[in-house]
Amino acid sequence: GNSVTQMEGPVTLSEEAFLTINCTYTATGYPSLFWYVQYPGEGLQLLLKATKADDKGSNKGFEATYRKETTSFHLEKGSVQVSDSAVYFCALTSGTYKYIFGTGTRLKVLA
Amino acid sequence: GAGVSQTPSNKVTEKGKYVELRCDPISGHTALYWYRQSLGQGPEFLIYFQGTGAADDSGLPNDRFFAVRPEGSVSTLKIQRTERGDSAVYLCASSLSGGIQETQYFGPGTRLLVL
Repeated sequence: GNSVTQMEGPVTLSEEAFLTINCTYTATGYPSLFWYVQYPGEGLQLLLKATKADDKGSNKGFEATYRKETTSFHLEKGSVQVSDSAVYFCALTSGTYKYIFGTGTRLKVLA
Repeated sequence: GAGVSQTPSNKVTEKGKYVELRCDPISGHTALYWYRQSLGQGPEFLIYFQGTGAADDSGLPNDRFFAVRPEGSVSTLKIQRTERGDSAVYLCASSLSGGIQETQYFGPGTRLLVL
C-alpha cells in the first residue's frame, strides 16, 4: 500500500543553519506530494506541494523537489529562523483524496 | 476569510460516555474530511463527505464511530461508548470540491481524552 517515511526527530538547529528533512514514499501510480507544517497550538497548514515528477514546490524559503527516480520529496531551507520551529509532515495522495501522512518531524531552532 | 473551525478544542470524558465533535468548514467547500492523529503519529483518514453524503467511510475504526453532515456544511463526528484508545486529536479538513490533487485545509483539531 501507499506509505510515507520521514526522518525521525527532533531536529535541533541554530538560527541561520541549513535544513533538510528527508521524506521518501511508496505509492502506486503518480502521487501528489505535500509538506504540511504544524506550529505550536495551531492546525496543519499547507507549506508546499508538487503534483508531478521534477516539479519543485516552494514557499516561505522552503523548497522540495518531486524525485520519481528516488521516490523522495525532501524539504530544504537555506537559513532557518526561530519562527520555523514546528512539526513538519510529509504527505501524499495517489489516485484518491485520502492523504497518507508521515509521522512528522519536530524542528527546533535555537537563537 | 474564516478557516476551518472545530469545537470543542479540548474534550475530557469518561470511558463509556458518548461524545460529539463539531467541524465548521470553509464556506463554499463541498468536500469535508475527518482524520485522527494519535500521539507521535501523522493524521489518519477516517471519513470523507461530498455534500451531505458520506462518500467514503472506510477509515472509521468500528461501528462506535459515526459522522453526519445533514445540510452539507457543518459536520459532527459522534463516538459512542468511548474507550481509552479513542484518545487522540481529531482533525477536520475541507476542500473546494474533493478533487484528487486539491489542497485540504485543516482545522486546529479537537483533543479528546478518555479517562
